[in-house]
Amino acid sequence: QSVLTQPPSASGTPGQRVTISCSGSSSNIGNNIVNWYQQVPGTAPKLLIYINNQRPSGVPDRFSGSKSGTSASLAISGLQSEDEADYYCAAWDDSLNAYVFGTGTKVTVL
Amino acid sequence: EVQLVESGGGLVQPGGSLRLSCAASGLTFSTYWMHWVRQAPGKGLVWVSRISGDGRSTNYADSVKGRFTISRDNAKNTLYLQMNSLRAEDTAVYYCARQSRRDGMDVWGQGTTVTVSS
Repeated sequence: QSVLTQPPSASGTPGQRVTISCSGSSSNIGNNIVNWYQQVPGTAPKLLIYINNQRPSGVPDRFSGSKSGTSASLAISGLQSEDEADYYCAAWDDSLNAYVFGTGTKVTVL
Repeated sequence: EVQLVESGGGLVQPGGSLRLSCAASGLTFSTYWMHWVRQAPGKGLVWVSRISGDGRSTNYADSVKGRFTISRDNAKNTLYLQMNSLRAEDTAVYYCARQSRRDGMDVWGQGTTVTVSS
């Protein structure tokens, strides 16, 4: 089981704002960078947010990340149908000496 | 265009071995850390292993430590994952990914499927 905990699901109507939480500990989120990945089922993951709150080129600015203490969050504002996907947080864990992914959150656009 | 292409997946019996390959193109391969990540059917992403650009530093998830070996051939621009003593729980799609210089895995392959079953 993952050391980073996310809600299994989140949903919203088009145009709404959706927030996904990622809870960790001092050995991972509390002391290291958080990244977020988006995965449309059947395809490879895509880097969505790096270094807590930075967007790679090409990622729409409706996606934003933040980190506070041992938790992080991903917000999707102005939800669109193409945002329907699975979202994972991730960070290095100093105790495990391993990279860890969150449990994943499935976002549904109603 | 940067591209990663995995190969080597297939059906293997429990206790068997398999070697995955990840061919890289469009990048200065030797300057990047590389990762293997897997995803069991219907499950989430699980990190497996990483290797430094020069191949001298490696890390493994506890679940594969002692059974899997990550390596690379920079002359061939290829990443490998040698998997021994395979178990049913190793059944998954295996992805290779490049670690961005700014952190995060910014380039991924399409994945190769490993099925461990008798």
